[in-house]
Amino acid sequence: QLQLQESGPGLVKPSETLSLTCTVSGGSVSSRSFYWGWIRQPPGKGLEWIGSIYYSGSTYNNPSLKSRVTMSVDTSKNQFSLKLSSVIATDTAVYYCARHVWSSNWYYFDFWGQGTLLTVSS
Amino acid sequence: DIVMTQSPESLAVSLGERATINCRSSQTVLYSANNKNYLAWYQIKPGQPPKLLISWASTRESGVPDRFSGSGSGTDFTLTIGSLQAEDVAVYFCQQYIGTPLTFGGGTKVEIK
Repeated sequence: QLQLQESGPGLVKPSETLSLTCTVSGGSVSSRSFYWGWIRQPPGKGLEWIGSIYYSGSTYNNPSLKSRVTMSVDTSKNQFSLKLSSVIATDTAVYYCARHVWSSNWYYFDFWGQGTLLTVSS
Repeated sequence: DIVMTQSPESLAVSLGERATINCRSSQTVLYSANNKNYLAWYQIKPGQPPKLLISWASTRESGVPDRFSGSGSGTDFTLTIGSLQAEDVAVYFCQQYIGTPLTFGGGTKVEIK
């Protein structure tokens, strides 16, 4: 069974860069049938797609986050990562990683990690 | 961006009764070339990973109990829990994937009355 696990610092100061990693087990990030995505949920709010990355490094970022997002993939470690720069309080959220079903376009997320709460505070 | 609006925000249903959750999109998610609705439903329980319940508006994922069903087309969709069980207490989200950025509804919290 595919499993995904997010890891990150838990607390980040305003203006700093948030870094999260998702470790995949029971499957490979090198699969050509899937992208690997990041989704977040601010407290009391809905879900927001941050972006997704392919094993080749091809990415799609949600324009709402403009140029603050950087994603990468490490096929040797079966991991993919998210960096969000210049964080502010409204970036406080539960961050999820997920497998993103893809076939010439991005579809739905069929496996998710448990999520990790990231708080932006000084 | 396509805006997804869910209703109600929360509902309380007696065990064994039907729960109905609505999702409306600001633009059609029906792709005329293949007649498919690009809509998914997810369940989030506290402390658990979100779970994909339904894709293509009505296709139940493997292992999802058949009391969960999805219906609708175009801009209006429904997730129905046919006979609510205690383990169905969760927050449910819809998501469109016909256009980028992919967007989700605001969520519906289902509780036991």
